[in-house]
Amino acid sequence: KAGVTQTPRYLIKTRGQQVTLSCSPISGHRSVSWYQQTPGQGLQFLFEYFSETQRNKGNFPGRFSGRQFSNSRSEMNVSTLELGDSALYLCASSLEWAPRDTGELFFGEGSRLTVL
Amino acid sequence: DAKTTQPNSMESNEEEPVHLPCNHSTISGTDYIHWYRQLPSQGPEYVIHGLTSNVNNRMASLAIAEDRKSSTLILHRATLRDAAVYYCILRPTHFGNEKLTFGTGTRLTIIP
Repeated sequence: KAGVTQTPRYLIKTRGQQVTLSCSPISGHRSVSWYQQTPGQGLQFLFEYFSETQRNKGNFPGRFSGRQFSNSRSEMNVSTLELGDSALYLCASSLEWAPRDTGELFFGEGSRLTVL
Repeated sequence: DAKTTQPNSMESNEEEPVHLPCNHSTISGTDYIHWYRQLPSQGPEYVIHGLTSNVNNRMASLAIAEDRKSSTLILHRATLRDAAVYYCILRPTHFGNEKLTFGTGTRLTIIP
């Protein structure tokens, strides 16, 4: 079956712009979470959505936002981009349907954002 | 949030076993121990998880200390493809992606 799909894979923006990243989870998966990965900070949790509701949020400023649609696809948005926002943004989906759910997260390959 | 501590890097010879340690001294009784690995230019992939008992799957084995304050991921016969960053994380519930803390992981280098 198809894995988690993230688009775009690469993008370059300038400071002050905004960006929208998309994530299509594995079919049937209801939870989508987002992570930021940088060389210095490693993988940091951004937020998680379940049934179109934000269920958990990490310690990021309000410039980072997201949403989930009825088909479980998710988008995240970063407004007023800063140089420090350059990172790999990873999306992960999970089944969330006991007892079949093993708790495994399925990650996409990420969207690499460069802010100039 | 419960945290884990892992060595920054480890090396191992190809075709030998590898033991990757993880300390989680503040683990709570309901935390699951999960391991993921991230190959170069890819997103992390699930390796194994456990709660109290040792676990085996086709990729690896997970040995959990009796007091659950530490665990060890065991790759029985390392190959070059196992070169990756390995993350040990704690999940507060069986499912429900609460603020998972991945940390910086252990970078495993396999020597041919």
